[in-house]
Amino acid sequence: DAKTTQPNSMESNEEEPVHLPCNHSTISGTDYIHWYRQLPSQGPEYVIHGLTSNVNNRMASLAIAEDRKSSTLILHRATLRDAAVYYCILRASHSGNTPLVFGKGTRLSVIA
Amino acid sequence: DTEVTQTPKHLVMGMTNKKSLKCEQHMGHRAMYWYKQKAKKPPELMFVYSYEKLSINESVPSRFSPECPNSSLLNLHLHALQPEDSALYLCASSHPQSEQPREQYFGPGTRLTVT
Repeated sequence: DAKTTQPNSMESNEEEPVHLPCNHSTISGTDYIHWYRQLPSQGPEYVIHGLTSNVNNRMASLAIAEDRKSSTLILHRATLRDAAVYYCILRASHSGNTPLVFGKGTRLSVIA
Repeated sequence: DTEVTQTPKHLVMGMTNKKSLKCEQHMGHRAMYWYKQKAKKPPELMFVYSYEKLSINESVPSRFSPECPNSSLLNLHLHALQPEDSALYLCASSHPQSEQPREQYFGPGTRLTVT
């Protein structure tokens, strides 16, 4: 899997939007961009994924740059429960069971 | 039901003990995974099972022995572990057959301490 680069940590105020960036300049044309997060003392949980177009779901939005070399996970209104480590992961498209290769991720702190 | 359960939640074992970690899912997923996570580090893949057959072993020492007795269960047998094997052991599952990589569902993990 291609490498991703994320800031080590970010901070947000509660109820404000949060934009978590991810750079993946060596992404291949068939790599999907997946985001997972890991809340304290829990296993990782899937957040969202996309290929080329921006994506929305109940948890977040994913904005993908036109050249696909970067993406941004958007939490529209951060809550204290969103404090977690967020991982941006590239996954090849050829198989449903390609394992996840986690980078260091971004530790998000949310301030009340 | 989108839950992956893992037992036990915590395990303390000596270096001469034999113990097993258990993982269970009832989502009909036919791919199951073991990951290891050391403190303040990201999870690292250990094993992948696809349709109850071992498909990936990330050069894990033989003191870790995985087993997939059926499509819902995944075990990790532990023997003669070292203190540096202390970590959070995470189990995950997903659909294996897909045109695109599917999301993985993780259990809460087993916190293992080797004394």
